Amino acid sequence: AQKVTQAQTEISVVEKEDVTLDCVYETRDTTYYLFWYKQPPSGELVFLIRRNSFDEQNEISGRYSWNFQKSTSSFNFTITASQVVDSAVYFCALSEASNNAGNMLTFGGGTRLMVKP
Amino acid sequence: DAGITQSPRHKVTETGTPVTLRCHQTENHRYMYWYRQDPGHGLRLIHYSYGVKDTDKGEVSDGYSVSRSKTEDFLLTLESATSSQTSVYFCAISDRDRARATQYFGPGTRLTVL
Repeated sequence: AQKVTQAQTEISVVEKEDVTLDCVYETRDTTYYLFWYKQPPSGELVFLIRRNSFDEQNEISGRYSWNFQKSTSSFNFTITASQVVDSAVYFCALSEASNNAGNMLTFGGGTRLMVKP
Repeated sequence: DAGITQSPRHKVTETGTPVTLRCHQTENHRYMYWYRQDPGHGLRLIHYSYGVKDTDKGEVSDGYSVSRSKTEDFLLTLESATSSQTSVYFCAISDRDRARATQYFGPGTRLTVL
């Protein structure tokens, strides 16, 4: 069965520090997709990125970057020069191509990031 | 932002009462989902719909039922609410059923069962 683990439940950094949020996943599928969502204090879930299992290229979007490594089943998220507005709970999620439950997303438990000024 | 609304946004009810949560979308997406969010568990799928009148169970469906009579509306019903159903409920939509489809989430409904 699929599983997503976010071992860091809470991280606290000072503004301008770099921070990496870890995500480790388990799946038997060869085709799967990985996602990151952000949940700011206001409570909504904001989609950040989707990667498929065949594309291991790292991705950068502004201060955000993602490192996908199939060899270690990890999809880590790095925020460079963190800002107070980055304070949120971040969720990693997995979707398997063979899953019959309408592409059910399996979520990790989330990492709460607190960026202090 | 995807046009998804949820109502009510907050609700307090008593054990044993029926509760219905509504998800409404303006995107004309075929697929709709109900998740619940609990501390330490992330989000877990309750039920999903792959078309009007077509629904199926998710990971944590016990105690919940759903209905979808129109493309734009997906209702989640707790027939007899229990304290274990105190949670934040999120609706999501996607435009395809493949695993690569991105799900977009509504603002959530905070439900407290006393």
